[in-house]
Amino acid sequence: GESVGLHLPTLSVQEGDNSIINCAYSNSASDYFIWYKQESGKGPQFIIDIRSNMDKRQGQRVTVLLNKTVKHLSLQIAATQPGDSAVYFCAEKGGTGFQKLVFGTGTRLLVSP
Amino acid sequence: GAGVSQSPRYKVAKRGQDVALRCDPISGHVSLFWYQQALGQGPEFLTYFQNEAQLDKSGLPSDRFFAERPEGSVSTLKIQRTQKEDSAVYLCASSVQGGGSPLHFGNGTRLTVT
Repeated sequence: GESVGLHLPTLSVQEGDNSIINCAYSNSASDYFIWYKQESGKGPQFIIDIRSNMDKRQGQRVTVLLNKTVKHLSLQIAATQPGDSAVYFCAEKGGTGFQKLVFGTGTRLLVSP
Repeated sequence: GAGVSQSPRYKVAKRGQDVALRCDPISGHVSLFWYQQALGQGPEFLTYFQNEAQLDKSGLPSDRFFAERPEGSVSTLKIQRTQKEDSAVYLCASSVQGGGSPLHFGNGTRLTVT
């Protein structure tokens, strides 16, 4: 199938390791953030979201951290599995009155068995 | 339940042809978005509907691009007189409401203009 993200930054980990994917966002007025996972030939799949009044949110095996001071977002994946291999995008919504999500540059995660 | 459905999955057009891409959002979702994704890039916003109203079309790259959602459900993205630079994956997404709720994406239509 087609390949998403031929020249993206790549994070290579071993199965069972914890992974941390980072994202710098651009708009200090952004009030909502989402992490998406995209596999080859598929659309982005929602992983986890966080609002700007929070600094941490946990899901199943995933944690998102938000640092508004430095406009930084991270996604932590615990006990990474080969099925986690994909391109990961962060996206931000630019404050009240804005509806669209703006996507950042993706990161390719490669998980070796 | 059914997710966002897009058709066709692949489309090859000769330069100058018109194309129409269809999106069936999740039932009951008020908001619908179109994005364009070039190879190796993140999705780029094209346009946004709330029900049948097109509230933001600031991302449409030229007047050759036109989108509609006449009954507030199915949407069509039309590209007239296609050019090679239009080659990309076109993604549709819907959400329960506008910003502040997750967008659910379809698998896209890959358009190749030859």
